Amino acid sequence: DSGVTQTPKHLITATGQRVTLRCSPRSGDLSVYWYQQSLDQGLQFLIQYYNGEERAKGNILERFSAQQFPDLHSELNLSSLELGDSALYFCASSPGAPQYFGPGTRLTVL
Amino acid sequence: GENVEQHPSTLSVQEGDSAVIKCTYSDSASNYFPWYKQELGKRPQLIIDIRSNVGEKKDQRIAVTLNKTAKHFSLHITETQPEDSAVYFCAASGLGNQFYFGTGTSLTVIP
Repeated sequence: DSGVTQTPKHLITATGQRVTLRCSPRSGDLSVYWYQQSLDQGLQFLIQYYNGEERAKGNILERFSAQQFPDLHSELNLSSLELGDSALYFCASSPGAPQYFGPGTRLTVL
Repeated sequence: GENVEQHPSTLSVQEGDSAVIKCTYSDSASNYFPWYKQELGKRPQLIIDIRSNVGEKKDQRIAVTLNKTAKHFSLHITETQPEDSAVYFCAASGLGNQFYFGTGTSLTVIP
């Protein structure tokens, strides 16, 4: 157990819908990262937050947004969902280095 | 920005043999290099890491080497076992604690 928690574990929804994925970092970690992993693919970096502020952006679609709250938990919002958004979404937290990954949320868009 | 390349993409070895996975990076400011193991449907788990002030680090059957001049680092697994079968990712990190991942190596250990 890495100490990073993610909810929900599984999410099944329809195209066009909107979902919110939640991540609680390890105690004391200020950085939160979001990654998307499609089937048999690598880890696509989406976005990084540090102590509530956006630090870096990767290949994040405009339909996706994220935020980090004062208690340091983070949410990833995915809207106007498409079939291709089906993937494992990982959150990771870090005190600087290394990164510790959560168990992921498996999103299925039907 | 940083670019991390990882080779090979797939690797099959006989049980008991060694496995080597190589990564190169482009940004000389990168100073931290972790390796992650990911089993199917599970989270990536840190197995070993190395900082730029060290050339080699070992942990039982796993070792990582770093060549800063050539900007490459490698993962070595000795005496491979079937439970080593997984996807392995290298990464590089530097300023701003951004992490750049390689594309992964699927390792299969044949009993």
